[in-house]
Amino acid sequence: QKEVEQDPGPLSVPEGAIVSLNCTYSNSAFQYFMWYRQYSRKGPELLMYTYSSGNKEDGRFTAQVDKSSKYISLFIRDSQPSDSATYLCAPSEGSSASKIIFGSGTRLSIRP
Amino acid sequence: ETGVTQTPRHLVMGMTNKKSLKCEQHLGHNAMYWYKQSAKKPLELMFVYNFKEQTENNSVPSRFSPECPNSSHLFLHLHTLQPEDSALYLCASSPKAEGYGYTFGSGTRLTVV
Repeated sequence: QKEVEQDPGPLSVPEGAIVSLNCTYSNSAFQYFMWYRQYSRKGPELLMYTYSSGNKEDGRFTAQVDKSSKYISLFIRDSQPSDSATYLCAPSEGSSASKIIFGSGTRLSIRP
Repeated sequence: ETGVTQTPRHLVMGMTNKKSLKCEQHLGHNAMYWYKQSAKKPLELMFVYNFKEQTENNSVPSRFSPECPNSSHLFLHLHTLQPEDSALYLCASSPKAEGYGYTFGSGTRLTVV
């Protein structure tokens, strides 16, 4: 079993829809949870960062962590074509780079 | 362009060639990283430098040789690579080695023929 599992997609939704992106993980020691967005031909950029369980909201984006089920979600409200990208979940045991485990990414396409 | 600049953007090299990838950050960060991103695979951490000292080598083959002359510049020297080394090589930086919010460059797309 991979340490972090993420559906590769592609996921295609119409503009304005609510998008749900998910990851599951196996390491119960993960405490920090990040989402990165990667546009085509670009490097990843940090989108959301949460610590432990719970929700965090930033504009149209909400990150949700359920440590009991080892499930991480990213919700995008009022999705826009500019949200079309690959989304990488990245849980971590600690703040060292070697502790961060990236998912393979979900490719999202928002249809105008 | 982000605060992390990588050159070249694309590179095709033969298995017997020697080439170098360059990364430069203009953010005043003290930590720099090399990551490898292969198709449909997760990002793999290769090397970590903190205040230009290497602090992590993630069991990377010796055909990849990093160099960090100062906190703003990072190189990855390549020699006798294999076709399976073809990937996107990403450089990142952060204010310190312990922390989050890495800033990534756009990467070098490497093809080994």
